[in-house]
Amino acid sequence: KQEVTQIPAALSVPEGENLVLNCSFTDSAIYNLQWFRQDPGKGLTSLLLIQSSQREQTSGRLNASLDKSSGRSTLYIAASQPGDSATYLCACPEDYKLSFGAGTTVTVRA
Amino acid sequence: SAVISQKPSRDICQRGTSLTIQCQVDSQVTMMFWYRQQPGQSLTLIATANQGSEATYESGFVIDKFPISRPNLTFSTLTVSNMSPEDSSIYLCSDPTGLSPAQHFGDGTRLSIL
Repeated sequence: KQEVTQIPAALSVPEGENLVLNCSFTDSAIYNLQWFRQDPGKGLTSLLLIQSSQREQTSGRLNASLDKSSGRSTLYIAASQPGDSATYLCACPEDYKLSFGAGTTVTVRA
Repeated sequence: SAVISQKPSRDICQRGTSLTIQCQVDSQVTMMFWYRQQPGQSLTLIATANQGSEATYESGFVIDKFPISRPNLTFSTLTVSNMSPEDSSIYLCSDPTGLSPAQHFGDGTRLSIL
């Protein structure tokens, strides 16, 4: 069974600093990996999906990399803003069922 | 991407009562998933809602506690029965088999049991 881990559990940075969020998974035979954002008490917003054949995916200030051989993905958020404060989750599907990490809660201080 | 709507967005319930959560997708989908997120935890899959057949439950979840209906390819309901404070969670539905490989979620139902 796929195990997904996210470190650190929480992160606090001043506005403007770049964010680096880590995600590791135990089974390298993944189909894809997806990053989500969750605001307190709310649902999940899909940020980026990286297919197993890709090394990275970019959307605006967000860049996600994937290294299947080492079982790692990293989400980079450039020039952080207070509006980036949220919990970020990564997940891998197995028969469509997503295995989630516990998330990294980010606080960007103005 | 699919638009998924959930109702209610939140509710406060008395213990021992039941609540039904609705999930509507704006396109026909083969499967719908129901997840639970307990406070401070990540998401755990409850069951797969299949149209025309009974839901498939994950280990630790049973039909008597979480009955699911799937009357058509765009709609599903999850009932949380005989609620206790331990059922206080966010419940989310998702569309895992849409046109895009990215999975999408509803806004969630935040449930508190007193």
